Amino acid sequence: GQNIDQPTEMTATEGAIVQINCTYQTSGFNGLFWYQQHAGEAPTFLSYNVLDGLEEKGRFSSFLSRSKGYSYLLLKELQMKDSASYLCAVNDYKLSFGAGTTVTVRA
Amino acid sequence: DVKVTQSSRYLVKRTGEKVFLECVQDMDHENMFWYRQDPGLGLRLIYFSYDVKMKEKGDIPEGYSVSREKKERFSLILESASTNQTSMYLCASSFETSVDEQFFGPGTRLTVL
Repeated sequence: GQNIDQPTEMTATEGAIVQINCTYQTSGFNGLFWYQQHAGEAPTFLSYNVLDGLEEKGRFSSFLSRSKGYSYLLLKELQMKDSASYLCAVNDYKLSFGAGTTVTVRA
Repeated sequence: DVKVTQSSRYLVKRTGEKVFLECVQDMDHENMFWYRQDPGLGLRLIYFSYDVKMKEKGDIPEGYSVSREKKERFSLILESASTNQTSMYLCASSFETSVDEQFFGPGTRLTVL
């Protein structure tokens, strides 16, 4: 079976940094996706990690350690528009999603 | 820009009704997916399809069926709607399953009374 864990909620201040952790135990692994989902909207792609290490994309970075079954999404210089749910998804022939982490950015 | 559209944003049906949810993508993607999203449970895969007339069960196929007669269109069917099928339904498509991102539609909020 698939077990993907991420915190339910996080709160941070505008301009700060937030790290969203995701741990997984899955029967197979072909990479890990991060998606962003604003309330009432469709999820949109943020990043994809297939090899160990850090992938940086502007204010967002994603890290993967396959041996530890661990990933994190790092959001820097937080803006109010970053308030959203962040979904971790493991690619095992098909995607298995965590329950999502709701990030609230406060002024 | 990839566009995935779903036939309705909101739908209200009665228990026992047959319900059709339609999804259309305009990027010639081979793969299409149906998920449901519930608070605290995240997105769960119902069915997916890698080609026309092909379908595979996801994690929670019970009570659902699908149809893919054309490449751009993927339908989710609730044969006899029940209250526990009240949920947000999201359709997605991708070029290849393993490495390509999935593009999601806006979702259909289905309420079964």
